[in-house]
Formats: sequence, structure tokens, C-alpha cells
Amino acid sequence: DSGVTQTPKHLITATGQRVTLRCSPRSGDLSVYWYQQSLDQGLQFLIHYYNGEERAKGNILERFSAQQFPDLHSELNLSSLELGDSALYFCASSVAYRGSYGYTFGSGTRLTVV
Amino acid sequence: AQSVTQLGSHVSVSEGALVLLRCNYSSSVPPYLFWYVQYPNQGLQLLLKYTSAATLVKGINGFEAEFKKSETSFHLTKPSAHMSDAAEYFCAVSDPNTGNQFYFGTGTSLTVIP
Repeated sequence: DSGVTQTPKHLITATGQRVTLRCSPRSGDLSVYWYQQSLDQGLQFLIHYYNGEERAKGNILERFSAQQFPDLHSELNLSSLELGDSALYFCASSVAYRGSYGYTFGSGTRLTVV
Repeated sequence: AQSVTQLGSHVSVSEGALVLLRCNYSSSVPPYLFWYVQYPNQGLQLLLKYTSAATLVKGINGFEAEFKKSETSFHLTKPSAHMSDAAEYFCAVSDPNTGNQFYFGTGTSLTVIP
């Protein structure tokens, strides 16, 4: 157990729907990062939050949004889902603003869009 | 900008043989470099990291990597492969000045032949 908790582990939904993925960072970690892992794109950085504030955006679609709450857990919202959104979504956390010393990853949420 | 190239998407070694997984990086600043391992249906686990201290870095499970600036490389090695080493390995680079996101390579799948 890495200490980073992601729920749900698996999600199957239809095109056009909206889902919410949840991440609880490791105790004491203030930074949360979201990554998407797909066969064709590999691991892609989506977004970074530090202590409730958005700090960096990567290849995140406009249909996707995220937030980090006062208790530091984070949610990634995916809407108007398309078949191509099927992927593993990872959350990672680190204690500092900069993840320079390495992240701790959760075990991921596997999203299947049918 | 940072990027990572992992040469060889699939590597097979015999049990007990040397493991060598190649990673070359591109970075406009002295980088931080990481190797992560991903077992099936699991998240990424940090193997080792280079953060500008010793160029030879030792990690978990007997793995090590050497930072070679002249070759812009950070290859991962293990003297003797074990069956349990079979997994996907990812090299990643980050900018120490921001550290907001990691740039991952496309991964190398390691197969260990008994």
C-alpha cells in the first residue's frame, strides 16, 4: 500500500456520460498530480494541485476538470466521455510543491467507456 | 523542455543474467531523473532517483543507474535478473526548478526467462 488511495478501481460507463475519480494523497502530502496512461499516449501529465490551488496544467482536455479540497483529497471530473477517454488514471502525491524528489503513485482507476 | 527516450520497448533476459534498460534524456537544465516500475494492475513504484548528488544511484531490489551527462543517459541495471523483476519500467525526467510534472518515457517491458 503506497498510502495514496484512489477510488473507484474500475469504472465502466457509456459515451456522453460524466464520472468523478477520487484521490486521497499520502498523509502529510500537499501536492496531488493526475496522470492518464493509455496504450497510444503513454503516461501523460494532466494537472497539479498544491494545497488546494492549481499549479500546473498539462495535456488536460477542456471536458476534464479537477479540484483539491481543504482536506487535500482531489477529484478529477471527466465529462462528455468518448471512447478515447478509456485509460488508466493515476493520482500521485508529494509532500512539497515541487515533485522533484519523486511522487508516490496510487494504484489507479481503470476507466472503460463503451 | 524535457523529454525521455527509452530504447527498446521489450527486453528479454534469462534469469540470473544482467538487466540493462536504456534511457536517454533531453533537458535544457540539469535534470532530475527517475526510474519507476509498474507491475500488472498496479501503480508506479519509485525504484531510484538522481537529484544531482552522486552519479551512481542505488535503488530498491538491487537496481542501480548511472547518470552520464556526456551521454545524456541514465541507464538502469541489475547484475542478476530475478523472475520477480518482470514488469514495465519507466524512465522520467523533471525540471528541478519547477518539478511540477514528470516527463515519462514510453516504457520498457522486461521479460525474465527461466
